[in-house]
Order: sequence, then C-alpha cells, then structure tokens
Amino acid sequence: AQRVTQPEKLLSVFKGAPVELKCNYSYSGSPELFWYVQYSRQRLQLLLRHISRESIKGFTADLNKGETSFHLKKPFAQEEDSAMYYCALRGKAAGNKLTFGGGTRVLVKP
Amino acid sequence: GAGVSQSPSNKVTEKGKDVELRCDPISGHTALYWYRQSLGQGLEFLIYFQGNSAPDKSGLPSDRFSAERTGGSVSTLTIQRTQQEDSAVYLCASSPSGDTQYFGPGTRLTVL
Repeated sequence: AQRVTQPEKLLSVFKGAPVELKCNYSYSGSPELFWYVQYSRQRLQLLLRHISRESIKGFTADLNKGETSFHLKKPFAQEEDSAMYYCALRGKAAGNKLTFGGGTRVLVKP
Repeated sequence: GAGVSQSPSNKVTEKGKDVELRCDPISGHTALYWYRQSLGQGLEFLIYFQGNSAPDKSGLPSDRFSAERTGGSVSTLTIQRTQQEDSAVYLCASSPSGDTQYFGPGTRLTVL
C-alpha cells in the first residue's frame, strides 16, 4: 500500500523567514513524488516534481529515499506563498493515480 | 487554452437523491481522473480512465458510485442514493498519457 503523511496541518511564518513543509511516504518501490499547491479560490496545480529537480517560485524539494521523505523548502517566504500544499505520490505498480497527503496550510504573515 | 472544466460548480441535494457530476477534460488528453476532497479525508482517488482500457475503479467508496467516459472525452460521475457523508468537493483531472495531471475547479456537493 502507498501512503503519504504531512504531519503539519498549519504552518504560520513571517515574511522573509524560511519555511519547510514535511512530507513522508510509504511505498515499496521507486515512487514519483510531487508537490501540488492550491491558492485561495484557485484550482489545484502542480508546483514541482522530484524528477525535474528544479526550483519553482523559490521552492525546492529533495527526495530522500533513506528517510522516505520529500520535504518542501523555501528560504524566504513571501505573502503570496500563503496556500494549501499537498504532497503526492505516484507508484508505478498502482497505475497513474496520485496518493495525496492530508495537506499543509501555509500562512505567511507580513 | 481551455483547461479542465467541471459542472455544476455547486450542487445541493437531498439525502437519497441521485446526482451526476460532469467533467470536460483538456482536448487530446487520454487520461482522466476523479478525486474527492473532503474534510478529514483529504484528497482521495476515486477512478481513473486511460484511453480505451478498462478503468481503474479501485478508489470508489461504494457501489453507489459509478463513472463513465463517453467517446474518450467527457466523463460523468454518478452518485446514487446520496448520503450526507458524500458531501465533498469532487475534482476531475486530465493528463496526456498519464503524465502531469491538470485539475478542474471542482464541484462542491452538499447533501442535506
């Protein structure tokens, strides 16, 4: 079975402070990991995926297979980063469906 | 270009009634997914269509839920004899051959 855990339901940080959203997964194989973001009154959209190894909007995430984690980080949070963030896993053996974590709400205060 | 669209955007129904939710995927996308977003449950996979293959129905919570995809394009999710626990936002996503999924705005279903 595949599972994604996001232990923090809410993260509140001040503008300019670093932010780290934790994501741990359980999967017996080589998964693909994603971060999706949902801004207020907007649809869910892909933020980044581990195979791309890129930085989007200043966010990065590194897949750590030893710790089965895919934490999302940004060194200097901005107010426009306030949103709901979901970590998701796609396992090859399970087709292309995504298994999502429970989500973390990020609030960046001025 | 046009993204994934869903209708209606909001649906309020009485317990026991049947509802149909519609999804129009991005043109040319062969894969279509339904998810449910509810309080306390997060985002759950419901069903997945890929081309002409048999759909993956492994996420449907009960036999009251069904979905079809006609002509490889539009999809309808049907919930029969709705229950209050069916209240949620139902999300549709499409992708080209199972790659990055693009989500629609969702249908908010409220069962009274």
